[in-house]
Amino acid sequence: DSGVTQTPKHLITATGQRVTLRCSPRSGDLSVYWYQQSLDQGLQFLIQYYNGEERAKGNILERFSAQQFPDLHSELNLSSLELGDSALYFCASSGVATGAGGGSYNEQFFGPGTRLTVL
Amino acid sequence: SQQGEEDPQALSIQEGENATMNCSYKTSINNLQWYRQNSGRGLVHLILIRSNEREKHSGRLRVTLDTSKKSSSLLITASRAADTASYFCATDELFRGMRFGAGTRLTVKP
Repeated sequence: DSGVTQTPKHLITATGQRVTLRCSPRSGDLSVYWYQQSLDQGLQFLIQYYNGEERAKGNILERFSAQQFPDLHSELNLSSLELGDSALYFCASSGVATGAGGGSYNEQFFGPGTRLTVL
Repeated sequence: SQQGEEDPQALSIQEGENATMNCSYKTSINNLQWYRQNSGRGLVHLILIRSNEREKHSGRLRVTLDTSKKSSSLLITASRAADTASYFCATDELFRGMRFGAGTRLTVKP
């Protein structure tokens, strides 16, 4: 158990609908990341938030948006859903880990994912 | 687009054999990480190697990095059936997030 929780586990909806995925990071982690994993696109980084602020942006569609709340949980909103949005959506969180020899790096802890099916 | 590209895409070996997976990347990096994913589940961090390191060991895992060739390899020695999973390399780009390769699907037959 990574300590990152995601809800719901499964979501089935229709094209054109809007859904919200929720993520609670590990206790103490300030960064939250969202990823989409589909068979044809692989694992794609969508967006990162750090302590409530957007920190990095990847291949996130304009129909998708995210936010991180003061309690550090995050929500990913997907709207005007299309069949191609069917995928596993992962949330990850990180603090900063110190590697051997000093310095810091960004080990991410992944949640179990939300499987979205758009019919 | 994928930053890292793993090869092979799939690898099937017998228990006890060694498994080697390779990863290539395109941009300059500070570090490269390897993650493992069991089917349909979240990724688990395995090991990190910094750009100024050439080799790193962790248990049965050995990672190498060749920055001149922009490539890395992950070796799993004395494989077990429980090692069956997909393995991804990932690079961390400032303000652009973590970029994962397409992964190598490893099957270890008992």
